[in-house]
Amino acid sequence: RKEVEQDPGPFNVPEGATVAFNCTYSNSASQSFFWYRQDCRKEPKLLMSVYSSGNEDGRFTAQLNRASQYISLLIRDSKLSDSATYLCVVNDAGNMLTFGGGTRLMVKP
Amino acid sequence: DVKVTQSSRYLVKRTGEKVFLECVQDMDHENMFWYRQDPGLGLRLIYFSYDVKMKEKGDIPEGYSVSREKKERFSLILESASTNQTSMYLCASSFVAGIETQYFGPGTRLLVL
Repeated sequence: RKEVEQDPGPFNVPEGATVAFNCTYSNSASQSFFWYRQDCRKEPKLLMSVYSSGNEDGRFTAQLNRASQYISLLIRDSKLSDSATYLCVVNDAGNMLTFGGGTRLMVKP
Repeated sequence: DVKVTQSSRYLVKRTGEKVFLECVQDMDHENMFWYRQDPGLGLRLIYFSYDVKMKEKGDIPEGYSVSREKKERFSLILESASTNQTSMYLCASSFVAGIETQYFGPGTRLLVL
C-alpha cells in the first residue's frame, strides 16, 4: 500500500492563532483527498474534502498540490475546541482509503 | 445522519478466546470495513466487504476473519485472541458509487490479557 505521511506533532498553539498542517502522499494516481478529525478516544469524523481548486469551510481551508503531492489544512482563529488529531486521508482506488498517522493539535487558553 | 454502531465499546478477553466484534450500519451502504488503530501506527485496514458474502483482505488480515451475511452487518472474528491484538477496532461503511468517504462507528477498545 502507498503511504500518507504527517508530522505527528503535537502542535501547541494559543487561542486565536493560525496553524497549518501538511501531509504528503506517495501515490501519484490518488484520486480524492480528505481531512478527518479525531477527538481523544472517539472515532474519526470527516472534517472536509479537499478539492483541486482548494476549498474553505469557515475557519478551515484545505489545499491540494498534485504536482508536489501534498495536502494542507489551515485553521484560522484557533479555538480550544479545535484540539484534536487531524488525519490526512487519501483515496487511491475505488473506496479504499489510506490514512496518515495524524497530527495532534492542542490549543491552549 | 449515517449511523454506524458497534456491539461493544470496551471488551476484555483472555488469550486464546474467540472474539466477535459486530458492526451495523443503517444507511444501506454497500461497502463495510474493519480497521485497527494503534498509537504511532494510525489506522490499518484488516478486511473489507463490498457486498453480502463478499470479503477482501486488507493490509493486516492475519489472525482475523470476517462475516457479512446481511448487508447492514459486518462481523470481525478473532479466532484465538492474542495479546498483540489489543487495540482499538473501528468499523466503517460507505456507498460503492463514486469517490466516497467513509463513516465510522464509535470503536471497540479490546484488551487481551
